[in-house]
Amino acid sequence: DTGVSQDPRHKITKRGQNVTFRCDPISEHNRLYWYRQTLGQGPEFLTYFQNEAQLEKSRLLSDRFSAERPKGSFSTLEIQRTEQGDSAMYLCASSLAGGGSYNEQFFGPGTRLTVL
Amino acid sequence: DQQVKQNSPSLSVQEGRISILNCDYTNSMFDYFLWYKKYPAEGPTFLISISSIKDKNEDGRFTVFLNKSAKHLSLHIVPSQPGDSAVYFCAARGLDNFNKFYFGSGTKLNVKP
Repeated sequence: DTGVSQDPRHKITKRGQNVTFRCDPISEHNRLYWYRQTLGQGPEFLTYFQNEAQLEKSRLLSDRFSAERPKGSFSTLEIQRTEQGDSAMYLCASSLAGGGSYNEQFFGPGTRLTVL
Repeated sequence: DQQVKQNSPSLSVQEGRISILNCDYTNSMFDYFLWYKKYPAEGPTFLISISSIKDKNEDGRFTVFLNKSAKHLSLHIVPSQPGDSAVYFCAARGLDNFNKFYFGSGTKLNVKP
């Protein structure tokens, strides 16, 4: 399978705990995006990387959130001191910059986070 | 600031008939629009797109229409099939930021056999 993969698919945690999610993009894609989707809403942009550089962060990404892409391949999204409002589906997407297709983004299956 | 809106949360259509999903946007800087389809437990998958220089783009049973003056786009599926039952998201991207997609809240399409 050469699509975008995310791990874990589901995470249940208690309020105040830290969680970390992983995303593996399509191998030749140099851009990677994180989105959050809550019930009844569409995906909301959180941040994106070009190679290892984090180029933009949404104001939705509070200080408790941090994302990394250390070698320009996989990425991690960490949420510290989770709150019940963090419960959502976290989606990762990747694209190929300059691919001539308007940077079409390919999505992974998402990680569903439930904070109790 | 919901810049992309899908005002119909759900739509039910008989198999073989036309499905029309609508999307409105507010930002005149948007220059590229996409439709994604999402099945349960999967991420959104790209379906069809349209650039602001066009008013129609067709791909098999799927056609997207863009009305820039009304800031409105629609997705037509003809003929609808039960396998088309999914949540459809409209998304838009602006000239000022090629990497930031704005999504609508989705329309759940149910195609009845």
